[in-house]
Amino acid sequence: GAVVSQHPSWVICKSGTSVKIECRSLDFQATTMFWYRQFPKQSLMLMATSNEGSKATYEQGVEKDKFLINHASLTLSTLTVTSAHPEDSSFYICSAGGGPGETQYFGPGTRLLVL
Amino acid sequence: QKEVEQDPGPLSVPEGAIVSLNCTYSNSAFQYFMWYRQYSRKGPELLMYTYSSGNKEDGRFTAQVDKSSKYISLFIRDSQPSDSATYLCAMSAWGGSYIPTFGRGTSLIVHP
Repeated sequence: GAVVSQHPSWVICKSGTSVKIECRSLDFQATTMFWYRQFPKQSLMLMATSNEGSKATYEQGVEKDKFLINHASLTLSTLTVTSAHPEDSSFYICSAGGGPGETQYFGPGTRLLVL
Repeated sequence: QKEVEQDPGPLSVPEGAIVSLNCTYSNSAFQYFMWYRQYSRKGPELLMYTYSSGNKEDGRFTAQVDKSSKYISLFIRDSQPSDSATYLCAMSAWGGSYIPTFGRGTSLIVHP
């Protein structure tokens, strides 16, 4: 099946710093990628849809200036958490695929801890 | 009412048991139904993918969809400790927004 990687797998940072998370599709091209966050024992919450070559589409309640998404190529999307605060600590997961009739393939996730 | 309802569990069963995991939904436009398995601190991995109603079998796993009742199930036969994980159902509609809607996941524990 399709492989999606994420880097880093975990990160600890101080409050106020920015953190960049990379999502790559390794063996296929993805015009669309998705970013989710997941709190403990909770479901996946879609944050935004990342479209190659255009602006991301953010879900209601997600601050686009806080969570910057760049989909620079057909295999790479990045999520930057700007001026991170402890409440941003979470598990961030990207996925690719998911067009009509398709399934999504998920990355392994990035655990962010903001001190 | 949430679009997709899933009991979070945990569901604890002995090794070898048949496990039944379920989701209900309210959106009659859903046509694609998926089950994902998520181990602790890992991303979800696709287990089963079904279109419309009916059954689909893959090894020890069987997915069932009953669109008339808006109810889907995942059965695991001869459960193993390695099956211990969170199982998320997901579903999407054809056309419009095809982005899946996820259930909150059911935590399964298979003890030896």
